[in-house]
Amino acid sequence: EPEVTQTPSHQVTQMGQEVILRCVPISNHLYFYWYRQILGQKVEFLVSFYNNEISEKSEIFDDQFSVERPDGSNFTLKIRSTKLEDSAMYFCASSELPDRVLFSSGNTIYFGEGSWLTVV
Amino acid sequence: QKEVEQNSGPLSVPEGAIASLNCTYSDRGSQSFFWYRQYSGKSPELIMSIYSNGDKEDGRFTAQLNKASQYVSLLIRDSQPSDSATYLCAVLYNTDKLIFGTGTRLQVFP
Repeated sequence: EPEVTQTPSHQVTQMGQEVILRCVPISNHLYFYWYRQILGQKVEFLVSFYNNEISEKSEIFDDQFSVERPDGSNFTLKIRSTKLEDSAMYFCASSELPDRVLFSSGNTIYFGEGSWLTVV
Repeated sequence: QKEVEQNSGPLSVPEGAIASLNCTYSDRGSQSFFWYRQYSGKSPELIMSIYSNGDKEDGRFTAQLNKASQYVSLLIRDSQPSDSATYLCAVLYNTDKLIFGTGTRLQVFP
């Protein structure tokens, strides 16, 4: 079973520090996503990425966030200056086709196991 | 603002019973609907997807969709203690993002 892998599984950082969360999507997938889940709250969409550019982002994804595909396998989320409220589980996800054609193709989105970020 | 609403629970059912989980959504333009299972501290795992009105069955799981009422449900037959988890309803609009509900916590007791 192919899987999305994420590192680190848990990171503690001081407020104001930069954090990079890394993800290796499934190898033949072309669409990549970051979601986050604050403890006890709902899973929230952050950003989708295709063909080396952002295709959609939420209002949460402000200037302190950025995404990059630095090579052929990794997909990263950078938080430039972390705040206490950035503490959450961050999920990377990937799909072969974009979410919007899921219904016609039987395509699905696969989530990684998540990276816990604790900002102190 | 597109919303997905779920009762947070917990929903407690005895082993072997049917668990019924419900979800409503706000936007009539929604096309695709998903149920994910999430164990504590873990990532969402897709259980069912449904796109057309009516029922869709997969093993012990049945998803039901009623677009006129903007209502999606998940039935779990012969519930097992291992089914104890939080069940997330997610709705896909004509975009690249899933909108999740807060989830319903299901507890199946022996």
